[in-house]
Amino acid sequence: LAKTTQPISMDSYEGQEVNITCSHNNIATNDYITWYQQFPSQGPRFIIQGYKTKVTNEVASLFIPADRKSSTLSLPRVSLSDTAVYYCLVGETYNFNKFYFGSGTKLNVKP
Amino acid sequence: DGGITQSPKYLFRKEGQNVTLSCEQNLNHDAMYWYRQDPGQGLRLIYYSQIVNDFQKGDIAEGYSVSREKKESFPLTVTSAQKNPTAFYLCASRPSGAQPQHFGDGTRLSIL
Repeated sequence: LAKTTQPISMDSYEGQEVNITCSHNNIATNDYITWYQQFPSQGPRFIIQGYKTKVTNEVASLFIPADRKSSTLSLPRVSLSDTAVYYCLVGETYNFNKFYFGSGTKLNVKP
Repeated sequence: DGGITQSPKYLFRKEGQNVTLSCEQNLNHDAMYWYRQDPGQGLRLIYYSQIVNDFQKGDIAEGYSVSREKKESFPLTVTSAQKNPTAFYLCASRPSGAQPQHFGDGTRLSIL
């Protein structure tokens, strides 16, 4: 079961690009990398998922190097409403139980 | 409107009492999950179910029980054996294949 390591917290200012890196040295061949966003007293919300290289959607990009031992979530031009906890999740998506939520990264966006 | 509904939003338990948290989904997802979240911590898996009438223990199943009699429903009972039940409980579901989990908005359980 690939465990993940993320920075505990990060600070940014409105309009900046934010990059949050997650380490997962023991990632297995069949594991996918998924990022979630969580606001206080709410359930996590899916942001993006990838297996290798780069994935982009309307809210974020996910960069995964060739060795897949880390991944970087990139949030373009953050706003105050992006202040939240961001979780990196690694798991064998076809196997329903093998997921591990770390403690996440608390992103504080300042005006 | 499709989604996952958890109820109640807040729940209080007395000593020695069992309480049941509801989780319903209308997304036609195969798998359902229960997580516990303590303040400032990540999510820990309690139980999960891949199909109706089948479920498996997660990392912290002691003091909890579940049932999966219908595809759309996965209730969690916090028994009196769970000595520290105060936490935020999250239910999730997902379809088969390389798909992410969808979460409800949680139930906050406290001890009276």
